[in-house]
Amino acid sequence: GAVVSQHPSWVICKSGTSVKIECRSLDFQATTMFWYRQFPKQSLMLMATSNEGSKATYEQGVEKDKFLINHASLTLSTLTVTSAHPEDSSFYICSAHFWRDGDTQYFGPGTRLTVL
Amino acid sequence: GENVEQHPSTLSVQEGDSAVIKCTYSDSASNYFPWYKQELGKGPQLIIDIRSNVGEKKDQRIAVTLNKTAKHFSLHITETQPEDSAVYFCAARGYQKVTFGIGTKLQVIP
Repeated sequence: GAVVSQHPSWVICKSGTSVKIECRSLDFQATTMFWYRQFPKQSLMLMATSNEGSKATYEQGVEKDKFLINHASLTLSTLTVTSAHPEDSSFYICSAHFWRDGDTQYFGPGTRLTVL
Repeated sequence: GENVEQHPSTLSVQEGDSAVIKCTYSDSASNYFPWYKQELGKGPQLIIDIRSNVGEKKDQRIAVTLNKTAKHFSLHITETQPEDSAVYFCAARGYQKVTFGIGTKLQVIP
């Protein structure tokens, strides 16, 4: 299957700072990338869908000014958590969709964000 | 929107036994049903998927069945091994969006 990477794998930051998480599709061009948030022992919650070169589509209840998503190329999407607060601490996971594989989404390994 | 229910939430089986996880979905337009395995601290890994024009699919010890009329699908793992221990998520894809179940924590006891 296709490979999706995320960087960093974990990050600790102070309250009020911004954190950028990168998601890369390593061996394919991703037409669409998705960002999820996962709380401990819970399911994945879709935050936003991004298509290369266009604005991301955010799910209801997700603040687009808080979670900035940029999908500048077919292999890279970034999520920036702005002015992070302790309640933003979570596991953030991206996934990428490759048109050739139909509906299949390939997930990255996730990024653990801890805001002090 | 789509609603996916998954059960059981936890499942313990003896090594070598079979494990079955069941899911139901609400949107009859959903046409793609993947299953993911997530180990602690890692991202979900696709283990098998099925599309709506197929009733059953098998890959070695893993099989998935789909009943479109009843809107339910199931994951079957045979001859379970300790390394099968993880959280398993079912999902259903409707229009452009995949909705996940709550997850099942599977524990295989050696």
